Amino acid sequence: AQSVTQLGSHVSVSEGALVLLRCNYSSSVPPYLFWYVQYPNQGLQLLLKYTTGATLVKGINGFEAEFKKSETSFHLTKPSAHMSDAAEYFCAVAPGFQKLVFGTGTRLLVSP
Amino acid sequence: DTEVTQTPKHLVMGMTNKKSLKCEQHMGHRAMYWYKQKAKKPPELMFVYSYEKLSINESVPSRFSPECPNSSLLNLHLHALQPEDSALYLCASSRNDGQGNEKLFFGSGTQLSVL
Repeated sequence: AQSVTQLGSHVSVSEGALVLLRCNYSSSVPPYLFWYVQYPNQGLQLLLKYTTGATLVKGINGFEAEFKKSETSFHLTKPSAHMSDAAEYFCAVAPGFQKLVFGTGTRLLVSP
Repeated sequence: DTEVTQTPKHLVMGMTNKKSLKCEQHMGHRAMYWYKQKAKKPPELMFVYSYEKLSINESVPSRFSPECPNSSLLNLHLHALQPEDSALYLCASSRNDGQGNEKLFFGSGTQLSVL
């Protein structure tokens, strides 16, 4: 069964610092991978997704992620954190049509 | 219009009550979803409707009853819930283009408390 593992339930960075949120996947076939963000008291919003083709995927709000098959990873990065980036981030995989399985989430804390 | 609208935003109900959660989208999406999210946990899929027909039921207890009266509306009828059903209930929609990698659009959710 396809699944994702997010390392670190909390990540703290200073404003302007690099953001790195880790996600590893488990799949016997090329997976569809996603990163969603959830702000407090809100639903989830898609940041980016990987389907096929280019392994470096650019998303909204300056985020990007790189699909590395050799490392079974899909880590999310942003060069410079903003205070507004503080939120919960979920990595997800689509094991089947219309099914989305989320990782346990990583809370990003940004300090001034 | 790229919104999924959920009402009510908050709901408190007793274990003997009957209530309904509502979800609406006008993006022409033909797939609609219910997810349940417990505090500090990821969302978990409950139901999927595709072209107004139930396509996925993730073994959800019968005290949760979904309904899709038309392509824009999705309801979740609640009856005889338990305190452990307290959670954020999220509705989502997608185009349903058969690609399996669709973007889901989420509503802000209904925060449900069962007393």
